[in-house]
Amino acid sequence: QKEVEQNSGPLSVPEGAIASLNCTYSDRVSQSFFWYRQYSGKSPELIMSIYSNGDKEDGRFTAQLNKASQYVSLLIRDSQPSDSATYLCAVNTAGGSYIPTFGRGTSLIVHP
Amino acid sequence: SAVISQKPSRDICQRGTSLTIQCQVDSQVTMMFWYRQQPGQSLTLIATANQGSEATYESGFVIDKFPISRPNLTFSTLTVSNMSPEDSSIYLCSSKTSGADTQYFGPGTRLTVL
Repeated sequence: QKEVEQNSGPLSVPEGAIASLNCTYSDRVSQSFFWYRQYSGKSPELIMSIYSNGDKEDGRFTAQLNKASQYVSLLIRDSQPSDSATYLCAVNTAGGSYIPTFGRGTSLIVHP
Repeated sequence: SAVISQKPSRDICQRGTSLTIQCQVDSQVTMMFWYRQQPGQSLTLIATANQGSEATYESGFVIDKFPISRPNLTFSTLTVSNMSPEDSSIYLCSSKTSGADTQYFGPGTRLTVL
């Protein structure tokens, strides 16, 4: 059974700091990795996708992937209170049904 | 991107009754899904709604309890049948297009069963 593990948190960081969110997955043949942000009472929205080992940057967000360690992370630089949300990691296996497996999410709190 | 709407946004229902949730996508999409999300938990896939044929259910979910329709490429319904308090949850509709990895989610339906 495919598993995606995340620390549920909450992770609390001060405004302006770097928030680091981590995710591990069990299926070695996973090929696609996603980070979704979900504000309280709202639906998830995609913020980052990554497919290759290394870093991918988009504004204040950086996704990092290490397939050998089966590890994907999301860094948020210059964290803002508006970044406070639950961040869901999702992992997809190529050749499968293309339906990703979601982690339970990490709650991030950015305090002023 | 796809914009997804769901109706109702929330409902409070009595035990033993059924509720049908509607999902409308603003463009034709290949795949539509129904998820359940309980407080503090991740998204649990209920089923994939297939256009013109029976839905594909995940382990632990059955058609008698969660009948699904998908009459065309932009619309689907999920019925929660013979409800019990354990069915209280948020139900999310989602869509994606074949060949694309991005999934879009509807705003969810918050269901409370008394």
